[in-house]
Amino acid sequence: DIQMTQSPSTLSASVGDRVTITCRASQSIITWLAWFHQKPGKAPKHLIYKASNLESGVPSRFSGSASGTEFTLTISSLQPDDFGTYYCQQYNSFPWTFGQGTKVEV
Amino acid sequence: EVQLVESGGGLIQSGGSLRLSCAASGFTVGYNYISWVRQAPGKGLEWVSVIYRGDNTFYADSVKGRFTISRDNSRNTLYLQMNNLRAEDTAVYYCARDGPERSLQYWGQGTLVTVSS
Repeated sequence: DIQMTQSPSTLSASVGDRVTITCRASQSIITWLAWFHQKPGKAPKHLIYKASNLESGVPSRFSGSASGTEFTLTISSLQPDDFGTYYCQQYNSFPWTFGQGTKVEV
Repeated sequence: EVQLVESGGGLIQSGGSLRLSCAASGFTVGYNYISWVRQAPGKGLEWVSVIYRGDNTFYADSVKGRFTISRDNSRNTLYLQMNNLRAEDTAVYYCARDGPERSLQYWGQGTLVTVSS
């Protein structure tokens, strides 16, 4: 199975900060990677697919990039609605796997 | 508009069985990749199973041999039959449909399964 390792596990930030979350795959997943945002008690929200493609309606302050087996989610200027937990997920091969999550808090 | 509504969760004893349903609207379940994803209390997301292109299915090792995913095109509904349930299966179960490039774009609100030991 492909392991997805996110870092950091927790991130303290303020409104307006530039935030970067990293996700590393244990083997090649090409660019079959998605990013999700989840708030407590809610279903995950799809942000980015195929490593760098923004879901329709997602603000342009979100961006994704890839370099080999390392993937990055960047929020250029953190907004109050952006707090919560972020997950990466590979869908290159079954079983699909998620990273352990990165909690973004004040 | 794509909508997914899960139901069937509840409290069940260890070793018991439960069937979850995911009623779909705005699309036909027979034409998409549809997955079940679960989240144990206070934990991260865990992909459970997928059905795609007809009756192709795949499962996480943690549920293989105990869970069965299926769909009823006439009811436009996805199912997850869960047998021999264990305490570690306690979680909110979400169904999720693919969007662009097979990514999990659409999610239901989830249904809670609690397995008591």
